Amino acid sequence: DIQMTQSPSTLSASVGDRVIITCRASQSISDWLAWYQQKPGKAPKLLIYKASTLQSGVPSRFSGSGSGTEFTLTISSLQPDDIATYYCQQSGRFSYSFGQGTKLAIK
Amino acid sequence: QVQLQESGPGLVKPAETLSLTCTVSGFSITRDYFWGWIRQPPGKGLEWIGKIHHAGNRYYNPSLNSRVTMSLDTSKNQFSLQLTSVTATDTAMYYCARLGWAGVGSAVYRWFDPWGQGTLVTVSS
Repeated sequence: DIQMTQSPSTLSASVGDRVIITCRASQSISDWLAWYQQKPGKAPKLLIYKASTLQSGVPSRFSGSGSGTEFTLTISSLQPDDIATYYCQQSGRFSYSFGQGTKLAIK
Repeated sequence: QVQLQESGPGLVKPAETLSLTCTVSGFSITRDYFWGWIRQPPGKGLEWIGKIHHAGNRYYNPSLNSRVTMSLDTSKNQFSLQLTSVTATDTAMYYCARLGWAGVGSAVYRWFDPWGQGTLVTVSS
């Protein structure tokens, strides 16, 4: 099984800050990676797929990069509405797995 | 637009079978998409349970494989999850979702979108 590890687990930043969340895979997954945002009491929402493709309707301050085993989700200028938990997810051919999540708070 | 809605008992006794249904509206489940289940224990992260395609392909999380069965009812545009021999560790919010996809060369990329709102299942006597 492919294990996904996110860092940090929690992150506190100020409005306007550039925020970077990292996701590492236990083996190469090419660019088979998606990112989700989950707000309290809500279902996760797709932000990015194929490691760097922004889902329609997602603000352009979100971006993704990486390939192989290391990936990043970047928020270029943190907004109050971005407070949420973020998850990465690998989509191997037969089996999927998620990172443990990164909880983002406003400082 | 496509919408998904989970339904089923909110309380299941230990050792019994958890059964949930996802009703899809605005989109036919017989189109070329997989449909999936994901769960989230209270205060914890997401765990993929399995996915199913109307052509008959099914893939389950190896850690749950022996207890999971997924099925489709095309007449009702629904898909279902059964999880047998449940214990307290199966207490979670259960989500259904469509697996979006894109083909690039020989690679197929998949992601969960959209998701249902989720249904909380508690395992307790």
